[in-house]
Amino acid sequence: DTGVSQDPRHKITKRGQNVTFRCDPISEHNRLYWYRQTLGQGPEFLTYFQNEAQLEKSRLLSDRFSAERPKGSFSTLEIQRTEQGDSAMYLCASSGQQSYGYTFGSGTRLTVV
Amino acid sequence: AQSVTQPDIHITVSEGASLELRCNYSYGATPYLFWYVQSPGQGLQLLLKYFSGDTLVQGIKGFEAEFKRSQSSFNLRKPSVHWSDAAEYFCANDMRFGAGTRLTVKP
Repeated sequence: DTGVSQDPRHKITKRGQNVTFRCDPISEHNRLYWYRQTLGQGPEFLTYFQNEAQLEKSRLLSDRFSAERPKGSFSTLEIQRTEQGDSAMYLCASSGQQSYGYTFGSGTRLTVV
Repeated sequence: AQSVTQPDIHITVSEGASLELRCNYSYGATPYLFWYVQSPGQGLQLLLKYFSGDTLVQGIKGFEAEFKRSQSSFNLRKPSVHWSDAAEYFCANDMRFGAGTRLTVKP
């Protein structure tokens, strides 16, 4: 068990470009979560998967954001037509049960220039 | 909708002093409550959790938290703070996180 892995660790992109991040959860965890965190703020919930099903998506999430978990294992988060306001740390977490708490990855830091 | 409030943005305590970080929550059903710690440049680490049973829960690093349904609170405590406890602390209710409390420890 190597924990939750996120790739890349850092991403710098020009405004208007598309970016995709990957998350590999702990193998036996069926729940996977994406969060966004900006400096001085708590993690902001983006979306949640149970196995391959996307069960909840934040109303704050614009249609430029999409996430998938095609086989119930790894997940991808894509941001289309990036904006400077998208600059943040994107965190992935996984858990086995709702009551267990999450194991977080180290995050992907996105900078939009 | 679920929400989590951490009233204190920043707290400073002296090393060896006791600590209490406040957390208030609202929830629609059974509360799943958590405290996480984030050290500078580090990922979030789970300190402790509550979802049923004994309302006083013990966590790692000497932390504990008490669930009080009547006050909708889940405050984090530690009897004696160490310099290494300086970090950002987040309370969470299921998938929703508070804004965090930054802890500074004075020598």
